Amino acid sequence: AQSVTQLDSQVPVFEEAPVELRCNYSSSVSVYLFWYVQYPNQGLQLLLKYLSGSTLVKGINGFEAEFNKSQTSFHLRKPSVHISDTAEYFCAVSLKAAGNKLTFGGGTRVLVKP
Amino acid sequence: DTAVSQTPKYLVTQMGNDKSIKCEQNLGHDTMYWYKQDSKKFLKIMFSYNNKELIINETVPNRFSPKSPDKAHLNLHINSLELGDSAVYFCASSRTSSGPSSYEQYFGPGTRLTVT
Repeated sequence: AQSVTQLDSQVPVFEEAPVELRCNYSSSVSVYLFWYVQYPNQGLQLLLKYLSGSTLVKGINGFEAEFNKSQTSFHLRKPSVHISDTAEYFCAVSLKAAGNKLTFGGGTRVLVKP
Repeated sequence: DTAVSQTPKYLVTQMGNDKSIKCEQNLGHDTMYWYKQDSKKFLKIMFSYNNKELIINETVPNRFSPKSPDKAHLNLHINSLELGDSAVYFCASSRTSSGPSSYEQYFGPGTRLTVT
C-alpha cells in the first residue's frame, strides 16, 4: 500500500519570501503525484501534477514541484508568496492502476505573514 | 458554471438520524468519488463509482451507502448517524481516459456534517 508523508504540519512564511513544502511517498509500484490547495472553507483545487516526463512540474499561481524518484519526494516550491497563498496544501499519490484512488498526506498549513 | 456541486453545504443533525448528501457534476466525467476530511484535516477516500458501478469501497461502516443514479450524480446516504461521523465530506469527479487529464480529480465545495 502507498503512503504519503508531509513533513511539516505548519509553515509560517513572510510575504514575498520563498516557501518549500516537503512531501515524501512510499509505494512499491509507480505512482502519479499531485499537489492540491484548500483555501479556508473551500474544496480542493489542483495545483499541479506529475504523471511522467520532465521531473520539474510547473503549476498554477507560480508554484512548481520536483519529482525525485531516488528520494521518493515531490516537494512544492514558490519563489515569492503572497498573502493570498495562505491555505492548506495537500500532497497526494495515485497508483498507475485501476481505481485512480488518491492517497493524501496529512496536509501543510501555510500562513503568510505581512 | 461547470463544476462539482454538493448539497447541502452544512448539515446539523442528531445522533441516530438518517441523512443524505447529494453530488452532481456537469463536467462530463464518468468517475465520481466520496472523500471524508476529519477534524485534523486528514482526507481519506470512501467510495468511487465509474459509470454507475462501484469500483472502490474502502473500509467504511455499512451505515454509509453511496448511490449513483447516473454518471453525473453520486449521493451518499448515512444511516444511524454517530458523533464520529462529524466531518467534511467531499465529492470529486474525474474522466477515465488515456490522456493526462484522466488523473485529475475535481472536487466539490464540501458538506460539513455535524452530529450532535
